[in-house]
Amino acid sequence: GAGVSQTPSNKVTEKGKYVELRCDPISGHTALYWYRQSLGQGPEFLIYFQGTGAADDSGLPNDRFFAVRPEGSVSTLKIQRTERGDSAVYLCASKRGSSDTQYFGPGTRLTVL
Amino acid sequence: KQEVTQIPAALSVPEGENLVLNCSFTDSAIYNLQWFRQDPGKGLTSLLLIQSSQREQTSGRLNASLDKSSGRSTLYIAASQPGDSATYLCAVRYGGATNKLIFGTGTLLAVQP
Repeated sequence: GAGVSQTPSNKVTEKGKYVELRCDPISGHTALYWYRQSLGQGPEFLIYFQGTGAADDSGLPNDRFFAVRPEGSVSTLKIQRTERGDSAVYLCASKRGSSDTQYFGPGTRLTVL
Repeated sequence: KQEVTQIPAALSVPEGENLVLNCSFTDSAIYNLQWFRQDPGKGLTSLLLIQSSQREQTSGRLNASLDKSSGRSTLYIAASQPGDSATYLCAVRYGGATNKLIFGTGTLLAVQP
């Protein structure tokens, strides 16, 4: 696969549960981004990784949200104690270090009942 | 606050028409601006990227212009086709190490056959 992949494509959970969303970036891309897109809105930045470290997590809405990228490739976005307001499409993007172009995955649609 | 606005929110045109989508941004100190296309259930596809020093970019039937001083960009689509139906998103990148994108809310385009 040449593109960014995200799993699962859809996730339905109950309020209060814990969820993990996975992103597989394009091989060799050092930068990885998570965005959240609510219905009728544009994507909003959550967090940026350069390699293994979170270089900018200023977009995470609160401490229930956390993301990791332990080996500098796959990233997992973790949401604790989910709330109905967390329902959205979570998008992942990756890019090469010096490039301007971010390549987006298809997203994970999260529904919190 | 750095905000990006797109008008109209939705647009329906008959096949063959030329059309213009608008994007405005509040902070003119941008690094670059991109136009994306989003199809349902799929990730974002980059259409055109304009650096802050450029005035326009063209790709096939698409032409994007940038006027930094007025905080505006337009995406011109010539001879629209039903396959152009999608949501079009404008995204601005400002300076800094993160390279995060600030997106508008998008324009939902429907081209009627």
